[in-house]
Amino acid sequence: AQKVTQAQTEISVVEKEDVTLDCVYETRDTTYYLFWYKQPPSGELVFLIRRNSFDEQNEISGRYSWNFQKSTSSFNFTITASQVVDSAVYFCALLNNNDMRFGAGTRLTVKP
Amino acid sequence: SAVISQKPSRDICQRGTSLTIQCQVDSQVTMMFWYRQQPGQSLTLIATANQGSEATYESGFVIDKFPISRPNLTFSTLTVSNMSPEDSSIYLCSVDLGQGEGYTFGSGTRLTVV
Repeated sequence: AQKVTQAQTEISVVEKEDVTLDCVYETRDTTYYLFWYKQPPSGELVFLIRRNSFDEQNEISGRYSWNFQKSTSSFNFTITASQVVDSAVYFCALLNNNDMRFGAGTRLTVKP
Repeated sequence: SAVISQKPSRDICQRGTSLTIQCQVDSQVTMMFWYRQQPGQSLTLIATANQGSEATYESGFVIDKFPISRPNLTFSTLTVSNMSPEDSSIYLCSVDLGQGEGYTFGSGTRLTVV
């Protein structure tokens, strides 16, 4: 069975702080894909990143960075120097064989 | 990447009525997915819609309540039938752009049932 766990329900930080959103997944398959999506208050889902199971190279995109570690089945997301516009719900997801599972989401609030 | 147009973006409906949500994709896709996101919750897959065949429903969702049409490779509809306040959710359509490309989501339909 596939499962995604985002243990942090809500996180609140002050602007310019760094924040890491945790994601732990479970799957028996060796080929799979991991995703992060952002859902701002408007409700749409914004794609942030995709990672396949064979690529453990960490990635940085501007203030965003992702740490994929197969040994711990984790795919954590760090926002550096957070901004108020980063306030949203963030979902981690696992895709395998057209079966996409979402974590419960982490609500990030960045205060000015 | 594909562009998905979903409408209506929001609606307020009376209980007992039905609402049909439309999802239009600007390219042909084999699989389309319908998700429900209840308030404060994560996304739950309702069904998978392939063109030319019956939709496949996930546990807890039935065709009588959520009939789906998929008349061609660029369009699908989801109907929420005989609505009750518990159906108040965001409904999202999504498409599979190919292996590993991930799912692209429509902008969602925010449904409130009163």
